[in-house]
Amino acid sequence: QVQLVQSGAEVKKPGASVKVSCKASGYTFANYVIHWVRQAPGQRLEWMGWINAGNGNIKYSKKFQGRVTFTRDTSASTVYMDLSSLRSEDTAVYYCARDKERQPLMYYLDYWGQGTLVTVSS
Amino acid sequence: DIVMTQSPDSLAVSLGERATINCKSSQSVLHSANNKNYLAWYQQKQGQPPKLLIYWASTRESGVPNRISGSGSGTDFTLTISSLQAEDVAVYYCQQYYHLPSFGGGTKVEIK
Repeated sequence: QVQLVQSGAEVKKPGASVKVSCKASGYTFANYVIHWVRQAPGQRLEWMGWINAGNGNIKYSKKFQGRVTFTRDTSASTVYMDLSSLRSEDTAVYYCARDKERQPLMYYLDYWGQGTLVTVSS
Repeated sequence: DIVMTQSPDSLAVSLGERATINCKSSQSVLHSANNKNYLAWYQQKQGQPPKLLIYWASTRESGVPNRISGSGSGTDFTLTISSLQAEDVAVYYCQQYYHLPSFGGGTKVEIK
């Protein structure tokens, strides 16, 4: 069955960076796009961008452009989200999620990771 | 950016009764080229990630019970749970994908 398994919770100081991993299994990794979505406490879900696991193409939300980097390791069926210059407002649960459609990209998400809590605190 | 507004923020419904959640987009998400509404619904239970329920405004995801349905077009959409069950207690979110994705603020459904 399709699974996305994320790395564990992180506590970071303001100004630091965090890297969250998302390991996929149960499907052909290179055939789908993975999105990143975050959920701050009491806030709505917020889309951060996507990475095409096959060809490595990337799109970032303007809000995070310049501060976020997506990468992938096809040999490990894993994608990564790196967020830099952390501030308290970045405290959130970060999710990876698979686009339901292979082509064209449709932006509705059928499988989600369990979430990774990133806490930014001095 | 398209802003999604849900109402109510929360509702309490008796078991077996109907629950209705509304979602309004700041601009139409109906694409004229294919006559499809670029609108999805998710369910999020406490401590879990969101789960896709509905896409294209009314297409039920595999495994979603048929008591859950989506309707609407243009800027106004509704998620209906026809006969609320205990396992339906959750927060429900709408999401547009006409432009880059944005989500509603969520509606919390509880048992009365």
